[in-house]
Amino acid sequence: AQSVTQLDSHVSVSEGTPVLLRCNYSSSYSPSLFWYVQHPNKGLQLLLKYTSAATLVKGINGFEAEFKKSETSFHLTKPSAHMSDAAEYFCVVSERGYQKVTFGTGTKLQVIP
Amino acid sequence: EAQVTQNPRYLITVTGKKLTVTCSQNMNHEYMSWYRQDPGLGLRQIYYSMNVEVTDKGDVPEGYKVSRKEKRNFPLILESPSPNQTSLYFCASRVRDLDTGELFFGEGSRLTVL
Repeated sequence: AQSVTQLDSHVSVSEGTPVLLRCNYSSSYSPSLFWYVQHPNKGLQLLLKYTSAATLVKGINGFEAEFKKSETSFHLTKPSAHMSDAAEYFCVVSERGYQKVTFGTGTKLQVIP
Repeated sequence: EAQVTQNPRYLITVTGKKLTVTCSQNMNHEYMSWYRQDPGLGLRQIYYSMNVEVTDKGDVPEGYKVSRKEKRNFPLILESPSPNQTSLYFCASRVRDLDTGELFFGEGSRLTVL
């Protein structure tokens, strides 16, 4: 069975400061992990994905995430927040070869000017 | 333009009145799926389809039906809607191989059941 836990439902940062959105996963087999972003009244867009290549994954808009198997974590980071980063972020897990996809409950990022 | 199209985008209906939410993709993707999004619960998978005539239940299939008669279309059917199906629904598609394919999402369909 697979599951994913996003540790913060809301995160607030000042513009220009670092962003950290935390995600822990549980998976019986080798997982594929994703981060998606949802802007208000929009669909979801892929930020980045981990599928067993490099453990440090770079995505769009300056975001990156590091897969840490020992900690079962896949935290999303960005060095400097921009106002346009304000959105809801979802961590997603799927076991390799297993077609069911499990979403976390989401983290709303607020960026303060 | 590559896209997933859902219709209707907004719908208000009454309990028990059958409705269908259509989903169409123009990327020749094998895999299609439906999700519902509720506050505090994230997205939960309702049904998914690996290819034409191949469908399977996700985490919350009760009260929903799907069909996959054509590769591009994957309608979601609510035979007898109830108020607890009031939600925001998303359709998504991708290539079959999860390792190489990202999910492409539609814009969402907001359904209210009175």
